[in-house]
Formats: sequence, C-alpha cells, structure tokens
Amino acid sequence: EDQVTQSPEALRLQEGESSSLNCSYTVSGLRGLFWYRQDPGKGPEFLFTLYSAGEEKEKERLKATLTKKESFLHITAPKPEDSATYLCAVHGRSQGNLIFGKGTKLSVKP
Amino acid sequence: DTGVSQDPRHKITKRGQNVTFRCDPISEHNRLYWYRQTLGQGPEFLTYFQNEAQLEKSRLLSDRFSAERPKGSFSTLEIQRTEQGDSAMYLCASSSGQGATTQYFGPGTRLLVL
Repeated sequence: EDQVTQSPEALRLQEGESSSLNCSYTVSGLRGLFWYRQDPGKGPEFLFTLYSAGEEKEKERLKATLTKKESFLHITAPKPEDSATYLCAVHGRSQGNLIFGKGTKLSVKP
Repeated sequence: DTGVSQDPRHKITKRGQNVTFRCDPISEHNRLYWYRQTLGQGPEFLTYFQNEAQLEKSRLLSDRFSAERPKGSFSTLEIQRTEQGDSAMYLCASSSGQGATTQYFGPGTRLLVL
C-alpha cells in the first residue's frame, strides 16, 4: 500500500537555526513528490514538485531534495514567518490523486 | 489571477441535515479534486473529475456523499444525513493537463456537525 511518513511531527527552532524535515515514502511507481505549506485554517499552499531522484528545488530559505526513498525539506536560517505545517505528498503511477503525510508542524521563535 | 475558491468558508449544521459545498477551480483547469482533512492529519482524497467525468472515488466516499461537475467548470459536494464524524475541513484542488501535475488548493470549507 502506498504510504507517506513525515518526521518529526513537530519541530521548534530558534530564528536562524537551520534544520531539515523528512518525508519517507513507499509508492508503486513514483510520478511526483510535492511539498506544501499550510497555515492554520487555510488550504495547502504549493511549494515544490520533484520528479526524479537527485532533483533539487530552491525557493528563498527552502530547499527540497529527493532520493529513491525519501525527500528532505531543508530550511536555512528560518524566520518566525516560516512557522506553519509542511505537508509532503506523492503521486503514484496508479492514482489520480495525491497521498499526503500527516505533516510537520514547524515553530520558529524570535 | 484568481485561485481556487470555495463557498461557504464555514458551515455549522445539525446532525441529519444535508449540506452542499461549491468549488470554483482555476480557470481552464481540467481536473478538480475533493479532499477531506481532520485535525492533525494530512488531506485525504475523496474524488476527482477530469472535465465533467468523475474518474475516481475513494472508499471514504460513502453513499451519503455525492459530487458533481456538470459542465466541467465548478463542482459541488453534497453530504446527506450528516453525522458528527463528517466534521472536517473539505478542500478542493484543481490542476491542468495529464498525469502528475501540480494541484492548487482552495481555502477550504470547515464543516461542524452538532
């Protein structure tokens, strides 16, 4: 069964303290891995799409990487406004939909 | 540039009542998806349309749930005889093209069943 596991469930950082979020997946024929940011009470906001192992994408303080079994979202020198839940999702070969992990809730304190 | 919109944003209803939600996708997106999200969980897939055809339904979509996209533009999701377990955020997303394309989400409709 296709599955996405995110760790840690929650992460508290001081402003400027870099870290990484993990997304492990098992899927039959990965066709895409997606990262979203979600603020409380709002819909997920698209961040990145990764299609093949070795691919990397960057946006401001965020960098997403992909291997054959997992993806990392690296956050460099985070700011309080980066506080949110970060969701990882996969699109498998046999599906029209995304399968999401439970997310990592990031809190960045000034 | 207008994104995905959903209406209403919040709905409070009594158990046993019917509710209907509307989703307007990004203009010219041919695919439209419905997801449900409960507290502390990621979104769970319910169903999706390609143009007006409903191509896939999750096992989560009981016979009390029905979705339509009559003209391939906006979509409605109806829940009949609501139960307290239906309380959740209902999210709509849309995408263009075929295959593993990026899905863009709306703000969601938060449903509370009393």
